Amino acid sequence: EVQVLESGGGLVQPGGSLRLSCAASGFTFSDYAMSWVRQAPGKGLEWVSGISTSGGNTYYADSVKGRFTISRDNSKNTLYLQMNSLRAEDTAIYYCAKGFFRVIDYWGQGTLVTVSS
Amino acid sequence: QSALTQPPSASGSPGQSVTISCTGTSSDVGGYNYVSWYQQHPGKAPKLMIYEVSKRPSGVPDRFSGSKSGNTASLTVSGLQAEDEADYYCSSYAGSNNFHVVFGGGTKLTVL
Repeated sequence: EVQVLESGGGLVQPGGSLRLSCAASGFTFSDYAMSWVRQAPGKGLEWVSGISTSGGNTYYADSVKGRFTISRDNSKNTLYLQMNSLRAEDTAIYYCAKGFFRVIDYWGQGTLVTVSS
Repeated sequence: QSALTQPPSASGSPGQSVTISCTGTSSDVGGYNYVSWYQQHPGKAPKLMIYEVSKRPSGVPDRFSGSKSGNTASLTVSGLQAEDEADYYCSSYAGSNNFHVVFGGGTKLTVL
């Protein structure tokens, strides 16, 4: 069974940093591109970032480019999202998801990031 | 990247059919066959219902179908059931040199 489990969310002050992790299981992690998608409270889905199978190619939404960094460790079946210079508008549930531009087919349950003083 | 346009709400009675539209541009929906549809119940993670415009993942009822014409994709739910009440989001690949994904704003489907 495919599973992706996010961790690392929490409360952080504006300008602060946070690192999200996503542990994947039930599929050959290194064979799939991965994504992060977020959902602000009461709002719709917003694609944040995607990464190729090897990690050599990374892509970002304009809203986070230069502040967030996606990475992966295929030896640990783990996806990461390093978030710096956080803003109030980054407050959201962050979903780790299997897949990227062709299709995102499995989503984790999400981890809540709250940016507030 | 601009979000795809969906109607904020749709509704139908049990057994009826309802269609939700998703309008983009030639740079996303109209340019590629990488349109997906997701169902999200309150407090839950999104679930893939349709991918590559009209393909259904294993386990998704054939009451759900997808199509595309020009820059507009559509999700049709036939034989509405109470459990179909949820938010539905479309998404599309959006760029050949710039690998991005864009989502629609979501449609709240109410089963009357």
